[in-house]
Amino acid sequence: EVQLVESGGGLVQIGSSLKLSCEASGLSFSVSAIHWVRQTSGKGLEWVGLVRSRVRSYAATYAASVKGRFIMSRDDSTNTAYLQMNNLKTEDTALYFCTRHVDNTPFNFDYWGRGAPVTVSS
Amino acid sequence: QTVVTQEPSFSVSPGGTVTLTCGLNSGSVSADHYPSWFQQTPGQAPRTLIYNAKIRSSGVPDRFSGSILGNTAALTITGAQADDESDYYCAMFMGDSIWVFGGGTKLTVL
Repeated sequence: EVQLVESGGGLVQIGSSLKLSCEASGLSFSVSAIHWVRQTSGKGLEWVGLVRSRVRSYAATYAASVKGRFIMSRDDSTNTAYLQMNNLKTEDTALYFCTRHVDNTPFNFDYWGRGAPVTVSS
Repeated sequence: QTVVTQEPSFSVSPGGTVTLTCGLNSGSVSADHYPSWFQQTPGQAPRTLIYNAKIRSSGVPDRFSGSILGNTAALTITGAQADDESDYYCAMFMGDSIWVFGGGTKLTVL
């Protein structure tokens, strides 16, 4: 069974940091580009960024709203991607999903995790 | 700043056909935007329906189809069923590895 499982969410204060994990199983993680997508309560989806696979030099790209504060990384030995979130703001409060597409193939986001909730409180 | 536009809401009768659209605040949608469509019901993760404008993701019923119509991407549901009542999102590739989601369309089947 293919799974993407997010973890590490929680309640934090403004200006603090939090690190989310996305652990994959049942799929070829090393060839996957991992995207992070967030959803505020009752609102729409927002693309946060992605980290590419080895063939794309593990390059990371971020949405303007998080650039300079969030860092994406991955560890192919443990099939895990990470989202390091720094200097958190109240507007970062959301459910964070990870999803993937196979790098260098058509952009099919074929698997999604169930999400990790992040609440940033003042 | 590029904005991806979707109808906020739409309704369709059971058995009917509905076309949801996805556009850009400036410019036309093309195949180079690799439009994708996602279905989400409350409390669930998104499910990919269509990618690369018209390719159905694995397991998606053929009553869902994607296309580029004029200057927008389109998702057509033919023979709508009650459990198609969901939120539908599109996303576009903007180049330089950047994606942008639309605001979503709430589809009611009644």
